[in-house]
Order: sequence, then C-alpha cells, then structure tokens
Amino acid sequence: GAVVSQHPSWVICKSGTSVKIECRSLDFQATTMFWYRQFPKQSLMLMATSNEGSKATYEQGVEKDKFLINHASLTLSTLTVTSAHPEDSSFYICSAAGQGFTEAFFGQGTRLTVV
Amino acid sequence: QKEVEQNSGPLSVPEGAIASLNCTYSDRVSQSFFWYRQYSGKSPELIMSIYSNGDKEDGRFTAQLNKASQYVSLLIRDSQPSDSATYLCAVTASFGNEKLTFGTGTRLTIIP
Repeated sequence: GAVVSQHPSWVICKSGTSVKIECRSLDFQATTMFWYRQFPKQSLMLMATSNEGSKATYEQGVEKDKFLINHASLTLSTLTVTSAHPEDSSFYICSAAGQGFTEAFFGQGTRLTVV
Repeated sequence: QKEVEQNSGPLSVPEGAIASLNCTYSDRVSQSFFWYRQYSGKSPELIMSIYSNGDKEDGRFTAQLNKASQYVSLLIRDSQPSDSATYLCAVTASFGNEKLTFGTGTRLTIIP
C-alpha cells in the first residue's frame, strides 16, 4: 500500500505555545488529506478535510482559527495547533488519498502533550 | 447525524476460536466499508474493505456486508493473541478520498 509519514511521532509543549504536525505522502500524490483526533479510549473523530490548494473543510465544533491546516502541495499537509492548552492533549492522526483511490492511508499518528 | 455503532466490548475469545465483530450504520447511502485494527498507542491499520453485499475473505479474516440491514461484520478465524486489539468499523459515502465515519471500536482480547 501507499506510505504516509507523520512527524513528529510525539511532542510535548508548554501551554500557550503552538505546535506543527506534518503529514507527507511518500509515494503518491495526495489530493485529499484528513486530520483526526483521538482521545484515550475513544474513537477517531474527524477534524477537517483538506484538498490540495484549497482551504480545509472543518467539522462542526472544530475551531479553524485554533487548528490551522495547510495543504500547499500534493505531498504535504500540516496541522498547527495554536495557543495549545492541556485539553488539546490528544493523539492526532492524518490520512491521505490520491485520485481514484478506494481507501485512504494513515500516518503513524502524533501524540501531543500540553503541559 | 451519520452514525456507526459497535459494541465496545471487551470481547474475550479463546485462542484458536472464531471472533465475531459487528457494526451497524445509519446512512443508507454508504458505499464503502472498512475494518481497521488499532493497537494501543498506534495508528489504525486497515484489515479489510468491502463494497458489495456478501462475504469477502482474506486469510483468516472474513468481512460480511448486508446493505439492506445496514450491517457489516468481521470474522477472525483461528484467533491468535496478536489479534488482541481494538477493531474499528468505518464507513464512507463514496470511496477512499471521502471522509470516514468511525465507530467507537470493539476491544478484543484473545485468551491463550
């Protein structure tokens, strides 16, 4: 299957700072990327969908000014958590799909801890 | 509100037995159905995908889809301790470039 690389795999930051998470498709052009968040013992909740060159579409209840998503190229999307607070601590996972794909491929996930 | 429902478990199955995982979905226009395995602290891993009614087999795994009943299941034959994980059912209205709606997952434990 196609390979999606997410970086970093874990990060600890201080409350009030911003954190950037990268999601790269290594061997295909990702026309669509998805960002999910997963709290302990809960399922994945979609945060936003991004198409290359377009503004991201955010799910209801997700603050677009807090979670900045950029999908400037066909191989890279970034999620920036701005002014992070302890309640933003979670497991953030990206997935990516190319044109005509029947499935999306997941990155390894990023464990964010805000202290 | 599109929903995907699973029994959260935990489901305990003896090693070597068949594990049966079930999922129902509310959106009748759903076209693609996926089963993911997720180990603790890891990202989901695709186990099976199914798009048409009936059974689809891949090794020890069999996915079953019944669109009329809005029901999809996963059978794991000859269960192994390494199968112990949380299994997530996911559906989408179209194909892989559409957003997935996940169920809450079923935690499966294989007892040696």
